Amino acid sequence: DADVTQTPRNRITKTGKRIMLECSQTKGHDRMYWYRQDPGLGLRLIYYSFDVKDINKGEISDGYSVSRQAQAKFSLSLESAIPNQTALYFCATSDNRGLGYTFGSGTRLTVV
Amino acid sequence: AQSVAQPEDQVNVAEGNPLTVKCTYSVSGNPYLFWYVQYPNRGLQFLLKYITGDNLVKGSYGFEAEFNKSQTSFHLKKPSALVSDSALYFCAVRNNNAGNMLTFGGGTRLMVKP
Repeated sequence: DADVTQTPRNRITKTGKRIMLECSQTKGHDRMYWYRQDPGLGLRLIYYSFDVKDINKGEISDGYSVSRQAQAKFSLSLESAIPNQTALYFCATSDNRGLGYTFGSGTRLTVV
Repeated sequence: AQSVAQPEDQVNVAEGNPLTVKCTYSVSGNPYLFWYVQYPNRGLQFLLKYITGDNLVKGSYGFEAEFNKSQTSFHLKKPSALVSDSALYFCAVRNNNAGNMLTFGGGTRLMVKP
């Protein structure tokens, strides 16, 4: 099993729909992250969580929310999806020293 | 403020030739530097890191990176490129003043032609 598992791998949804992307990790790390990748823009941080009770906004949090259900689980929600949220979404986890991130395989989201 | 620059959006190299993917950084305190690779339809995979010690760091798949403190650079290198090395490469620096989070560069696409 992968260290970081994201579901679904691909999703097409309609404008205005609520959608949840899920992430689970088996690394035993406290820290988890959600990133968005658009062509030519690299990785942009949406939200991050340093432990179950600590959730923080990243650089592009508008239109997104998160839930840290357990140390191993961190989900990302789009409350009302819009087409410019079409992107590749990555979840990652790290230890507290930040000496290496482990990424999931990504969720490709298309909003039509 | 911490930052990472990858000045080239794309690097083209012929198979068998040496390759270099450039990265420069700005950080407060000691630099902790990383390279990740992203193959098509995959997540980012760790290649190598510099924490301290030898300026030449060896990593996965025959890649290495040279840390140059005076030039604040951490260029990724490989002596002989393979077509299978074609991918997107990201440089990252640890933000020592913001909870040890990583700041990523914009990525460089490496194209290795047969």
